[in-house]
Amino acid sequence: DAGVIQSPRHEVTEMGQEVTLRCKPISGHNSLFWYRQTMMRGLELLIYFNNNVPIDDSGMPEDRFSAKMPNASFSTLKIQPSEPRDSAVYFCASSLDFVGVNTEAFFGQGTRLTVV
Amino acid sequence: ELKVEQNPLFLSMQEGKNYTIYCNYSTTSDRLYWYRQDPGKSLESLFVLLSNGAVKQEGRLMASLDTKARLSTLHITAAVHDLSATYFCAVDSGGGADGLTFGKGTHLIIQP
Repeated sequence: DAGVIQSPRHEVTEMGQEVTLRCKPISGHNSLFWYRQTMMRGLELLIYFNNNVPIDDSGMPEDRFSAKMPNASFSTLKIQPSEPRDSAVYFCASSLDFVGVNTEAFFGQGTRLTVV
Repeated sequence: ELKVEQNPLFLSMQEGKNYTIYCNYSTTSDRLYWYRQDPGKSLESLFVLLSNGAVKQEGRLMASLDTKARLSTLHITAAVHDLSATYFCAVDSGGGADGLTFGKGTHLIIQP
């Protein structure tokens, strides 16, 4: 398997624009996570899905952020409108389960977002 | 709320030396993970510790878990430059409700 695939790898956008980040989890994994990494706040869990259903979105910072998982092989994280403080690296991760012993998360390469 | 604390947050050491990174967490859990991140790269899974007393070793790295003390350690033996990276511990609260909570990471620099 190619692992977790994220696109784009880099995104530079102007403040106020809509940004959509994409993620393809590892085939067969039932759980998908979106994390944000910044120097100031470290790694923060934004939202996670199990069997395509959002389980906990309490980490989503504002209503400007939304995430969907229309099927088992695809998820999006959308920011609308984007702001400079959203600049960060956004990681998608997947795991076989989210309870039990198979909760090891495998990370994608990340999307480096810069909002100017 | 689960809190995960690592120390030290920054460590500069010489090749050949031994050192230990500590990871404390605030609530009961028996699942802990160690990840490595190189600059500008993603997180690579190093160890999965799933029970009290678990010990895993890979090359010069050894990780252990003491669930009673809520403590995990990552021990580096005879460090080499290639081990320079940021190391994160992550804890699964076990209830399936929170995903993984990460520590702030330990930025390790190993100097020749």
